[in-house]
Amino acid sequence: GAGVSQSPRYKVAKRGQDVALRCDPISGHVSLFWYQQALGQGPEFLTYFQNEAQLDKSGLPSDRFFAERPEGSVSTLKIQRTQQEDSAVYLCASSSRSDRQETQYFGPGTRLLVL
Amino acid sequence: AQSVTQLGSHVSVSEGALVLLRCNYSSSVPPYLFWYVQYPNQGLQLLLKYTSAATLVKGINGFEAEFKKSETSFHLTKPSAHMSDAAEYFCAAGNTGGFKTIFGAGTRLFVKA
Repeated sequence: GAGVSQSPRYKVAKRGQDVALRCDPISGHVSLFWYQQALGQGPEFLTYFQNEAQLDKSGLPSDRFFAERPEGSVSTLKIQRTQQEDSAVYLCASSSRSDRQETQYFGPGTRLLVL
Repeated sequence: AQSVTQLGSHVSVSEGALVLLRCNYSSSVPPYLFWYVQYPNQGLQLLLKYTSAATLVKGINGFEAEFKKSETSFHLTKPSAHMSDAAEYFCAAGNTGGFKTIFGAGTRLFVKA
């Protein structure tokens, strides 16, 4: 009965480094979302997966951001050549179905600081 | 484009007083609406959601919200605040046309003893 987990919880990167953030959704959940939450702001949608298919990536801010969910469970958000403006909390959420009204269950987030 | 506006980045109430957190959405089609709560260093937790079944929605921890189409509002209320209600609250909207959920900027609730 574990919830959504994310790792690492904290990540410090030097500008220009690549980072990979992991999300383990609730077992069996079809839908998986990634959000970016800047300090003092609400979460902003990045991308959405239905099983292994990435159906919406319209929120990814640049081509430095890439997400995958190859087997329809664990997902990785990769940020290449990190910039200071990438500093934020990255939240992952999953839901049991693909209905848009379905409750999303959020992980605790990964706090990324780019120096 | 759809947007969600939360009036007041900070709200302070006394313990036992009414809690009112305001949320307005902009959408030509009534969206799905949600209220989430976020405690420090934790993920967001769903308080309640509106999915057109009923305009008055009851959630966890004594919170409720009323959908008013004429006002495009979905304000969150609780009759009597507890110290444990101190947290950040986010209003969010999803629509039938895509998978995005749009969040407001959040309202931090302070509860005074």
